[in-house]
Amino acid sequence: AQSVDQPDAHVTLYEGASLELRCSYSYSAAPYLFWYVQYPGQSLQFLLKYITGDAVVKGTKGFEAEFRKSNSSFNLKKSPAHWSDSAKYFCALEGDTGYQNFYFGKGTSLTVIP
Amino acid sequence: AQTIHQWPVAEIKAVGSPLSLGCTIKGKSSPNLYWYWQATGGTLQQLFYSITVGQVESVVQLNLSASRPKDDQFILSTEKLLLSHSGFYLCAWSLEPNSDYTFGSGTRLLVI
Repeated sequence: AQSVDQPDAHVTLYEGASLELRCSYSYSAAPYLFWYVQYPGQSLQFLLKYITGDAVVKGTKGFEAEFRKSNSSFNLKKSPAHWSDSAKYFCALEGDTGYQNFYFGKGTSLTVIP
Repeated sequence: AQTIHQWPVAEIKAVGSPLSLGCTIKGKSSPNLYWYWQATGGTLQQLFYSITVGQVESVVQLNLSASRPKDDQFILSTEKLLLSHSGFYLCAWSLEPNSDYTFGSGTRLLVI
């Protein structure tokens, strides 16, 4: 069975600090991993994805994520954080049950204090 | 450029009433289409997917149904709404496996 865990429901930090949002996954095969962002009252926007290759993938809005097979993690990072980064972030794993079924984590709500 | 349009933007409906939500994708032919549901403050759960006209696969049973009457159109519906149907419904498309989804702007549904 596949699953995605985002252990931090809420993260708060000050503008200018470095942010790292945690994501771990459980999957028996090579994972395809994604990060999406949801601003308040809005839909989801794609940030980045890992399919294969380099462990660090760069995405939109200055975000990057590091894939670590050793501990099944795919943490999202950005430095420095900006107040406009305040949003809910979802990590997702493309599973193998059903056609291109994304398994989303519960999300991490990020608040960046100006 | 491709666009994805969902309608309506929001609905307040009574328990037991019917519902129809729509999604249209322009600028892409033969997209893979998906319906997702997000409970308030919660995560997203895939409801249906369709890879071609007339074919829809159900992922979870929530007393909802979906249809794809045209290549660019995906409809979510039910004849009798339940309180548990409240939430945020998102339509998404992709072109191929391992590619990212593009989500529509969503429909907020409140069942009272």
